[in-house]
Amino acid sequence: RKEVEQDPGPFNVPEGATVAFNCTYSNSASQSFFWYRQDCRKEPKLLMSVYSSGNEDGRFTAQLNRASQYISLLIRDSKLSDSATYLCVVILGNAGNMLTFGGGTRLMVKP
Amino acid sequence: NAGVTQTPKFQVLKTGQSMTLQCAQDMNHNSMYWYRQDPGMGLRLIYYSASEGTTDKGEVPNGYNVSRLNKREFSLRLESAAPSQTSVYFCAATGTVLSYEQYFGPGTRLTVT
Repeated sequence: RKEVEQDPGPFNVPEGATVAFNCTYSNSASQSFFWYRQDCRKEPKLLMSVYSSGNEDGRFTAQLNRASQYISLLIRDSKLSDSATYLCVVILGNAGNMLTFGGGTRLMVKP
Repeated sequence: NAGVTQTPKFQVLKTGQSMTLQCAQDMNHNSMYWYRQDPGMGLRLIYYSASEGTTDKGEVPNGYNVSRLNKREFSLRLESAAPSQTSVYFCAATGTVLSYEQYFGPGTRLTVT
């Protein structure tokens, strides 16, 4: 079983739609959680951190469920520019800043 | 301020050839990393360097060697390339133990025939 699992998609949604991705992690000692965004043939970039209480950044909301060991990303009012692959990232508590990446979920927003 | 740079951007090798991928950062970050990315596999850590003068193996180190030449530069060497090493290679850097944001270079697309 992979340490961090994501549905690869693609998720095809119309502009303006709300879309949500989940990511599950296997190690209960995981301490820190992030979403990275990767555009086609580009490098990953940090989108947002995920806090236990949940956090929001504009149209993006991230949630953490420790009991069920998953994190989620909700995108409201999807824009064409949101089309990308979203990578779930986990850090173990004793791993310093060593990141473990999920395989990514591909989102395609259509006009 | 270029951030993290990588050379070359593309490379085709024959099986058994060797090459070195170069990475440099101008952010004065302590830690640097080499990842490979294959379809559906996510990024997998090959080697990392927590600080100048130290290197450690990551998840998939076999077939690779690294050198942390100085604080700015971290190179990845393939001594005898194999088709299984066909991948996209990303270098990344991060500043402090408390900073989890990794800044990535643009990647090197390597094909081994």
